[in-house]
Amino acid sequence: GQNIDQPTEMTATEGAIVQINCTYQTSGFNGLFWYQQHAGEAPTFLSYNVLDGLEEKGRFSSFLSRSKGYSYLLLKELQMKDSASYLCAVLDSNYQLIWGAGTKLIIKP
Amino acid sequence: SAVISQKPSRDICQRGTSLTIQCQVDSQVTMMFWYRQQPGQSLTLIATANQGSEATYESGFVIDKFPISRPNLTFSTLTVSNMSPEDSSIYLCSERLAGDYHEQFFGPGTRLTVL
Repeated sequence: GQNIDQPTEMTATEGAIVQINCTYQTSGFNGLFWYQQHAGEAPTFLSYNVLDGLEEKGRFSSFLSRSKGYSYLLLKELQMKDSASYLCAVLDSNYQLIWGAGTKLIIKP
Repeated sequence: SAVISQKPSRDICQRGTSLTIQCQVDSQVTMMFWYRQQPGQSLTLIATANQGSEATYESGFVIDKFPISRPNLTFSTLTVSNMSPEDSSIYLCSERLAGDYHEQFFGPGTRLTVL
């Protein structure tokens, strides 16, 4: 079966750095996405990785290792507005998105 | 980026009734999807809405329960039929440009509560 695992909840301090991990086992791989979802709102796109390595975009970076079936999202200089759920999703061999359950990130002052 | 609108944004319905959710996108995208997200859970794909033909349903979802229409490239509807409290969820419309797998956009969602 297809499976995506990420921690249910994480807590971090304003101004700090946090890394949210995602491991996956899917039928085929055509890329991995990270989305941010604030409570009561729709998911918004953060990043897309299809090759191994680190992609940096401002305060957010996303890393992929295809051989390990592993990705992480790194958030730097955390702000209170970063409190949200972060969803990992993999595009499988049928080009369908398989979603993780999301990681709820709580930022404390 | 894309602009997707959905209505209603929320509704409270009685058991046994049906609700139709509308989704409008601002570009002539080829792929439109309907998702369900139950409280604290991941997104689950209900179906891919196909223009002018029957939707493609995922395992566990059937047309009689979730009829979908897509009369043109920019508009789709999802009906939740004969509702029960288990159908209480957020329903999300999503779009993706044909051949572009780098980004998928989501509408604001419809929060449905069935009493």
